[in-house]
Formats: sequence, C-alpha cells, structure tokens
Amino acid sequence: EIVLTQSPGTLSLSPGERATLSCRASQSVSSSYLAWYQQKPGQAPRLLIYGASSRATGIPDRFSGSGSGTDFTLTISRLEPEDFAVYYCQQYGSSHTFGQGTKLEIK
Amino acid sequence: EVQLVESGGGVVQPGGSLRLSCAASGFTFDDYAMHWVRQAPGKGLEWVSLISGDGGSTYYADSVKGRFTISRDNSKNSLYLQMNSLRTEDTALYYCAKGMSSSWLDYFDYWGQGTLVTVSS
Repeated sequence: EIVLTQSPGTLSLSPGERATLSCRASQSVSSSYLAWYQQKPGQAPRLLIYGASSRATGIPDRFSGSGSGTDFTLTISRLEPEDFAVYYCQQYGSSHTFGQGTKLEIK
Repeated sequence: EVQLVESGGGVVQPGGSLRLSCAASGFTFDDYAMHWVRQAPGKGLEWVSLISGDGGSTYYADSVKGRFTISRDNSKNSLYLQMNSLRTEDTALYYCAKGMSSSWLDYFDYWGQGTLVTVSS
C-alpha cells in the first residue's frame, strides 16, 4: 500500500500570503495519479487538483499543483479567507489512499 | 446537476449490521465507478470500497474485507454498502463518491454529504 505523508500538519498564515502544502509518497505514484481535496467543517471534500497539476472545473487559478514520483505540492498563491480549511492528497494509481491532511488556519 | 444522497446510517451495537444507500442523479450512473469513503470523527479520509460501472468488479480496503459488501442497482441509480460484523472502529461518516470515469483507478469528482454510522454498546 502506498502511504502518503502530508506536511506540515498545521499551517498558520494570513490572508494574502502564499501557502505551500507537501505530500510525500512511500513509493512512486504511477502516471502522477495524485489529487488534492479541500474540506471545510461540516462539508464533504471538494476536488481541487487531479493528475498532480490539473485544476478541477471551477477552481480558481490561485490553486496550483505540481510534482511527480514521490513528491507533490499544492500551492495557493494568495490566500483568500475562504481558503482556510483542511487539505488532503490522494493517490489513485495503486488502489486508493489519502494523506492524513494539512489544516490551513488563519494566523 | 450531479447529486449523491446517502442514507441508512444510525447507531448499532458491535457485531451488528447496517445497510447504507446512495441515491445518484444528474449523470449516467452505469458509466461510472462508484466508491465509499469514510471519515472517523475528527480524523482523516479513508477509502473503503469501489464497484465498477457494471457491478462486475469490486474492491475493498483491508480493514473491511470480508465484512462489508458493495453493490449497485443501475436500474435504480443506487449504490449500497452492506456492513456486517461491525466494530467500534467502523464509527464514521460514510461518503458516497463518484469516480471520474469507468476506471477503478481514478479520482472522485463528486461527493455526497455523508451518513453517520455509530457502533457502540
């Protein structure tokens, strides 16, 4: 099973700042089958990024994904108040596993 | 508009059974693989099971293999999860999620709001 480790566990930033979230896999993720989801309290997860770097429909361009192999990054270029949430990475190249999440909180 | 509405959650004793349902609308149901994903209170996401569009292939997480059974009725646009021999660690919010394609190796583009399962004596 591919284990995904997200860091940091919690990220404290202010609106307008840049956020960089990391997702590291225990083995290579085939074909960059890596997705990112955003989850707000009391809501279902929402797809942000698939294929490591493709934005889902309706996702603002301040969200971007990058990486390949075992190291992936989600970047939010300029934080908006509505971006503070928990973010999960998921690999779907070998069954399905999720990272443990990164909580992005307001500083 | 794609909609996924789960139902069937509740409180059950350890060793008991429960059947979850997910009613789908807004897309051609049998063209897509469907998944169950759960989230224990205050915890992260855990993939549970998936079923192919025609129902012929199913896959399970090791944590539920042999206890849970996923199925679908394409004539009713519905997905199911039969959960037997429930354990306290199965307590979670269970989400129904739509795969992006018919492939079992794909991301999830739509999620329901979840149904809560509590296993407690």
